[in-house]
Amino acid sequence: QSALTQPASVSGSPGQSITISCTGTSSDVGSYNLVSWYQQHPGKVPKLMIYEGSKLPSGVSSRFSGFKSGNTASLTISGLQGEDEADYYCCSYAGSSTWVFGGGTKLTVL
Amino acid sequence: EVQLVESGGGLVQPGRSLRLSCAASGFTFADYGMHWVRQVPGKGLEWVSGISWNTDSIGYADSVRGRFTISRDNAKNSLYLQMNSLRAEDTALYYCAKDIWSGWFEGHFNYWGQGTLVTVSS
Repeated sequence: QSALTQPASVSGSPGQSITISCTGTSSDVGSYNLVSWYQQHPGKVPKLMIYEGSKLPSGVSSRFSGFKSGNTASLTISGLQGEDEADYYCCSYAGSSTWVFGGGTKLTVL
Repeated sequence: EVQLVESGGGLVQPGRSLRLSCAASGFTFADYGMHWVRQVPGKGLEWVSGISWNTDSIGYADSVRGRFTISRDNAKNSLYLQMNSLRAEDTALYYCAKDIWSGWFEGHFNYWGQGTLVTVSS
């Protein structure tokens, strides 16, 4: 159970698009379509943004999208807004009823 | 309204035990998988343990396997985490989280509690 690999930080200007990668292995991301993404603002509880790799929960903006290719999942935020500035975490099923999170990515909106 | 309220955290000495509870309301608790996720303040999220709606599937992170035990009481709408042989590295905010789909155990956490802080220190 090694943590999934995410960039420590990404940044973008309002209106731009950014993508956060989440790299795992053939034992987790690569084997299951069970990747989720979470947004966490400072001092707040994590919020589910994407599940099953690319599906949006009710109430989440369509500016958020998810994709997976091989052992890497990605979260794209289009039309970047100030309120998107937060930490983002990916999470994947890793087999045998276990899950693993990524180390987290700090998104800065310039 | 879905609510998850954790309790049981506190200051405990290394090697001692603690039992966390999560009281659930606003949904049919018996139909959903439940999980514990922890976070060291200022650090990232770590999945700790999960239990399916019918307890047929239970999993633990390598870091806690053999020391922590997850359980649930569907009649009391409650989730538990028995933590034994606690270590300093177990110090964290412990969140209770609900799976998104009833009858499945996919680990997509659509509701989280506010967390209960566990501090392991002498």
